[in-house]
Amino acid sequence: DGGITQSPKYLFRKEGQNVTLSCEQNLNHDAMYWYRQDPGQGLRLIYYSQIVNDFQKGDIAEGYSVSREKKESFPLTVTSAQKNPTAFYLCASARGGGPSYEQYFGPGTRLTVT
Amino acid sequence: AQTVTQSQPEMSVQEAETVTLSCTYDTSESNYYLFWYKQPPSRQMILVIRQEAYKQQNATENRFSVNFQKAAKSFSLKISDSQLGDTAMYFCAFRTIIQGAQKLVFGQGTRLTINP
Repeated sequence: DGGITQSPKYLFRKEGQNVTLSCEQNLNHDAMYWYRQDPGQGLRLIYYSQIVNDFQKGDIAEGYSVSREKKESFPLTVTSAQKNPTAFYLCASARGGGPSYEQYFGPGTRLTVT
Repeated sequence: AQTVTQSQPEMSVQEAETVTLSCTYDTSESNYYLFWYKQPPSRQMILVIRQEAYKQQNATENRFSVNFQKAAKSFSLKISDSQLGDTAMYFCAFRTIIQGAQKLVFGQGTRLTINP
């Protein structure tokens, strides 16, 4: 079955530690996205990538980093520089960057930093 | 900058009733896409319905329909014969293209509860 997987579903870390969230897709999509969801704020774009080895900052990229070494993988690292890392993180992918391509979402990862 | 506003943080209706969720947006573009996404308690984002701005006809998907008013920049979602499974957060979203890449801008969401 084709789809997007995010692991783990729940992640706990101590303050000051970097943590990497996994996102894998087997839809053969070129474009991938990372969103952050906080209560009452909807989804906000962190980073996106249209092609392997290329990515761009979204609206709230500070304190985050990504890589796109393989078409199917787009891991997100939450660094210790991110002031409020506790949130729900959603990964999405699309066939391309054009306007007609739908974004498909993964199940998300809930990150709690204490 | 594009913005999307959902003015109803929470709504509650009885099963089988009809409910309308409001959404307004702000853009200077003429061609764009609008969406309604559903996020049930599982938190999986599910596309409910989409509307292309250049199409005047309102989109419908079974019990879900939209009222798209381009001049007023309004995009409301109507759910007919509501069911318990419709209980979820609903997000209105606007899709645009920036530097050759598509970008989704989301509203704050409306929490909809269907009561038995």
